[in-house]
This record gives sequence, C-alpha cells and structure tokens, in this order.
Amino acid sequence: EIVLIQSPATLSLSPGERATLSCRASQSVSSYLAWYQQKPGQAPRLLIYGASNRATGIPARFSGSGSGTDFTLTISSLEPEDFAVYYCQQGRNWPITFGQGTRLEIK
Amino acid sequence: EVQLLESGGDLVQPGGSLSLSCATSGFTFTNYAMTWVRQAPGKGLEWVSSISASGSATFYADSLKGRFTISRDSSKNTLFLQMNSLTAEDTAVYYCAKVRDTIYYFFDYWGQGTLVTVSS
Repeated sequence: EIVLIQSPATLSLSPGERATLSCRASQSVSSYLAWYQQKPGQAPRLLIYGASNRATGIPARFSGSGSGTDFTLTISSLEPEDFAVYYCQQGRNWPITFGQGTRLEIK
Repeated sequence: EVQLLESGGDLVQPGGSLSLSCATSGFTFTNYAMTWVRQAPGKGLEWVSSISASGSATFYADSLKGRFTISRDSSKNTLFLQMNSLTAEDTAVYYCAKVRDTIYYFFDYWGQGTLVTVSS
C-alpha cells in the first residue's frame, strides 16, 4: 500500500498570504496524484489532478506541482474561502490511498 | 448538471447489515467507473471500493475483509454498497464519487454523503 504523508498537519496563515502544502508518497506515484479541498459539513471538492492540472472551475491561485514521491499544492494568495482541510490522493496503485490531510486555518 | 445522491444511511447494531444507494444523473452512467469513500467522525478520507464502468471489475480496501459488495444498475443509473457484519469501526459518512479518469483514477464529482452509525 502506498502511504501518503501530508505536511504540515496544520497551517496557520492570514488572507493574502501564500500557502504551500506538501504530500510525500512512500513510493513513486508518477503524476497519479490529486488534491481535494473539504470544508466542514461538505463533500470533498476536486482541485488538482495529474499532479498539476486544475479541475474545472478551480481558480488560478491554486496550483500543483511535483512527480514521483514529492508533491506540492500552492495557493498563491489566500482568500477567506480557502480555509479548509486539504487531502492528496494517489491513483497509481490499488488500494487507492489518501493523505491524512492538512488543515489550513486563519491566523 | 452532474448529481450524485446517496441514501440508505442509518443506525444499525453491530453485526448487522445495511445497503447504500447512490442515484446519479447528468452524465452517461455507463461510461464511468464509480467509487465509495468514507469518513469516520473527525477523521480523514478512506477509500472503500470502486467498480468499473461495465461493472465487470471491482476493487476493495483490504480492511473490509470481504464484508462489503459494490454493484451498479445501469438501468437505474444507480450505484450500491452492500455492507455486512458491521462494526463500530464502520461508523462514517459514506460518499459516492464519479471516477473522472481510470488512468489517473481521481474523483471529480461527489455526493453529499450518507451517515452510517453502528452502535448498540
């Protein structure tokens, strides 16, 4: 099973700041990595797929990078609605696995 | 507009069974694989099971130990999850999700979730 470790567990930033979230895989997942955003009481929302492709309707301030084992989700300038929990997910091997999540909170 | 609507969540006793449904609309159901993902209270996301577009291939998390069965009915555009021998560890919100791409295997649309509570 491929284990995804996200860091940090919690990130405290202010609106307008840049956020950098990390996801590290226990073995290479090539570019088979997606990022999701989840707000309290809501279903996850797809942000990024194929490591760096923005999903439909996702603002340009969200970007993804990386390949192999190290991936980054960057939010260039935080908006109030961006404070949420973010998960990475690999689709390279069965079983599909998710990271444990990074909580992005308002400082 | 793509819509996924789960139903069937309930309070069930340990050892009991439950069947979840996910009614879909707004896309060609027979063209896409589907998935169940669950989230225990206050916890992260856990992949449960996936089924191919045709229904001929199914995949399960090892932790389920053969207790769950995923299926689909193309005539009703509906996804199912039959859950048996439930334990407290199965308590979670269960989401169905559409698989956008079976190469990268990610999920582009999600339902709102249905709560399964296993307790005596």
